[in-house]
Amino acid sequence: QKEVEQNSGPLSVPEGAIASLNCTYSDRGSQSFFWYRQYSGKSPELIMSIYSNGDKEDGRFTAQLNKASQYVSLLIRDSQPSDSATYLCAVNLPNNAGNMLTFGGGTRLMVKP
Amino acid sequence: AAGVIQSPRHLIKEKRETATLKCYPIPRHDTVYWYQQGPGQDPQFLISFYEKMQSDKGSIPDRFSAQQFSDYHSELNMSSLELGDSALYFCASSLSVSSYEQYFGPGTRLTVT
Repeated sequence: QKEVEQNSGPLSVPEGAIASLNCTYSDRGSQSFFWYRQYSGKSPELIMSIYSNGDKEDGRFTAQLNKASQYVSLLIRDSQPSDSATYLCAVNLPNNAGNMLTFGGGTRLMVKP
Repeated sequence: AAGVIQSPRHLIKEKRETATLKCYPIPRHDTVYWYQQGPGQDPQFLISFYEKMQSDKGSIPDRFSAQQFSDYHSELNMSSLELGDSALYFCASSLSVSSYEQYFGPGTRLTVT
């Protein structure tokens, strides 16, 4: 079992719909969770961080964290074609050296006009 | 806002040559991380520095070395290059070693022929 897992997709949603991206992690002691967006050939761009159980909203993005179930999700409301990218879930695992991030493989999102 | 700067953006080297990649963190950020991303793969942590000292080490080959200088910029030195070293190399920075949010630079695309 990978330490951080995502469905590779592609996840296809129509423009204007809600895209739901999920991520699970193996270590119950994990405390820090991040969502990055990465366009092909570009660098990961931090879009959300979440540290506590519950929801965190920022514009069209909502991150949800459930430590008991060991999953973190990202909702994108009113999806736009420009949201089409790979979304990387990253976790700072307790057994990681320092603050290194472990990524979940990414989910490719396609928003169709 | 100022971002992480990496140079060069593209680099072509032959097998057994050496390469040096440079990273200039966001102003006031004192922690630097290096990641390697192969085609279709997640970023993999290589090494990190905090206040000019190596803080953590990941899957960095012995042929690679890195350091952080007094102005907080960092250099990744790669020797005896192999075809398998062809990848995107990202530098990320954070405000301090206790801040978990990492901001990635645009990356250096290294091609080894």
